[in-house]
Order: sequence, then structure tokens, then C-alpha cells
Amino acid sequence: DIQMTQSPSSLSASVGDRVTITCRASQSISSYLNWYQQKPGRAPNLLIYGASSLQSGVPSRFSGSRSGTDFTLTISGLQPEDFATYYCHQSYSTLQTFGQGTKVEIK
Amino acid sequence: EVQLVESGGNLVQPGGSLRLSCAASGFTFSSYWMSWVRQAPGKGLEWVANINKDGSEKYFLDSLKGRLTISRDNAENSLYLQMKSLRAEDTAVYFCARAMYDSSGSFDFWGQGTLVTVSS
Repeated sequence: DIQMTQSPSSLSASVGDRVTITCRASQSISSYLNWYQQKPGRAPNLLIYGASSLQSGVPSRFSGSRSGTDFTLTISGLQPEDFATYYCHQSYSTLQTFGQGTKVEIK
Repeated sequence: EVQLVESGGNLVQPGGSLRLSCAASGFTFSSYWMSWVRQAPGKGLEWVANINKDGSEKYFLDSLKGRLTISRDNAENSLYLQMKSLRAEDTAVYFCARAMYDSSGSFDFWGQGTLVTVSS
């Protein structure tokens, strides 16, 4: 199975900060990497698909990038509504996997 | 408006069985791969299974093979997950999700989830 190693597991940041979350795949997954935001008690919400494509309706402060098997989600200018848990997800393999999640908390 | 509504979650004893349903509306259900994803209390997301558009291809998390059946009824716009020999570690909220484009698509719409609790 393809393992997704996400880091950090949590971080504290202030409104307006630039935040970076990383996901590393255990093997090549091309650009089949997606990012979701989840708030407590809610279903996940798709932010980025195909490593760098912004889902419709998602603010442009969210962006994604790829370098080999390393993937990055960047939030440029953290807003109060962005405090949540973020997950990466590889959909390359028939057996799909998620990263462990990154909880973004208020500093 | 795309909607996915799960049902069937319940308290079940270890070793028991349960069938979850996901009712889809607002899109052409038969044109999309569908998946189940679960989340144990306080834990992360875990992909469980998916099924292709006509139900002829199915994939499962290795650790769950043999205990799960995924199926769909395109005439009824419904997705199902049949679970047997349930264990305490199967306790989770189970979400159904629609895959964009095909089997390798991201999950662009999710249901609200249904809670399965396995306990005596």
C-alpha cells in the first residue's frame, strides 16, 4: 500500500500567517494528490485536487504544489475560518490512503 | 444540488452485521465512482472501499476484505456497505463520497456521515 506521511501533526498560527503543510508519498503517485479541510462534527471539504488545482468555490489563499513525491498545501494569509484539520489523500492507487492529518490551531 | 445522505448506522454487538445506505440526488449517480470513508472517534480519515459506475469493479481496504460488501443500485440512486463480523475497532462515522471523474478522482461531495458503534 502507498503510505502518506503528513507533517506536522499540529501547528499553532495567527491570523494572517502563511501556513505550510507537507505530505510525502512512499512511492510515485504522479499528481493524484488531494487536500481536504475538516471542521469538528462536519464532513471533509475538498480544497485542492490533482496536487495543484483549486476546487470551485475555495478561496485563492489556498494553493497546492508538487515536487516529486512531496506535496505541499499552503494557506497564504490564514483566516479565522481556516482553523481546522487538513488531510492529504492519494487517489493514484486502487487502494487509496489518507495522511494522518494536520490540526491548525490558533496561537 | 448534489446531496448524499447516509443511514443505517447503529449500536451493534461485536460479531454482528450492519448495512449502511447512501441516498444520492442532484446528479447522475450512474456516471460516478463512489466510495466509503470512515473516521474513528478522535482519529483521522480512512478510505474503506470504492465501486465503479456499474458496480462491476470493487476495491477494499486490505484489512477489511472478507468482512465488507459494497454495492450500488443505479435505478434507486443508492450506495450500500454491508459489514459483518464487526469489531470494536470498526466503531466510526462512515461517510459516502463521490469521486470526481473516475476511480482516481478526488472526493468532491460527501455525505454527513452515519455513526456505527460496536460494543456489548
